[in-house]
Amino acid sequence: SQQGEEDPQALSIQEGENATMNCSYKTSINNLQWYRQNSGRGLVHLILIRSNEREKHSGRLRVTLDTSKKSSSLLITASRAADTASYFCATAYLTTGANSKLTFGKGITLSVRP
Amino acid sequence: GAGVSQTPSNKVTEKGKYVELRCDPISGHTALYWYRQSLGQGPEFLIYFQGTGAADDSGLPNDRFFAVRPEGSVSTLKIQRTERGDSAVYLCASSPQRGAYNEQFFGPGTRLTVL
Repeated sequence: SQQGEEDPQALSIQEGENATMNCSYKTSINNLQWYRQNSGRGLVHLILIRSNEREKHSGRLRVTLDTSKKSSSLLITASRAADTASYFCATAYLTTGANSKLTFGKGITLSVRP
Repeated sequence: GAGVSQTPSNKVTEKGKYVELRCDPISGHTALYWYRQSLGQGPEFLIYFQGTGAADDSGLPNDRFFAVRPEGSVSTLKIQRTERGDSAVYLCASSPQRGAYNEQFFGPGTRLTVL
């Protein structure tokens, strides 16, 4: 079963607006990652935040992590039509061999209208 | 440089047949993962290799599924006696080294359709 749950399931905004997507998870994690998937294309890693970090930035992306609430948010500022995609949060924890399989949520469909 | 590649990109087979899906990871990446993504869902973990050995196969749904990575590079996911429920996109990912903080680089996937 999938651990993460994203909210909302779908989001439609105007180009230039900010998009905020949320993710909740159920068990302790080592880190949390956000991925983007365009229609017909593979998953692309966006950003990783460790369990001891609270906020991280990468270009127009801002990720926060609240381990007490077991939740994370992804903010995309000044959205563009090219940001239209599905966004997934994925949680990672230590498994055999000290590496991390990822547990994905169902994803959020973001549509950015030109 | 070249990313993760997967072949074939599409595979249509009949119920009960055997299929093999291939993954070529990024050169030098020691960790390799297989995931399965059904329509409208996120990827679900199947198996993880560190080098040649399967370090975690807890996601394989049953004994019809098997994966190998004999030389620590290319991996093959094998599905015996395919069922219609096996239809999905099978994703492969690789990661450069041990540790819990590495992003995973995904291939484009193989879309498997079982008729």
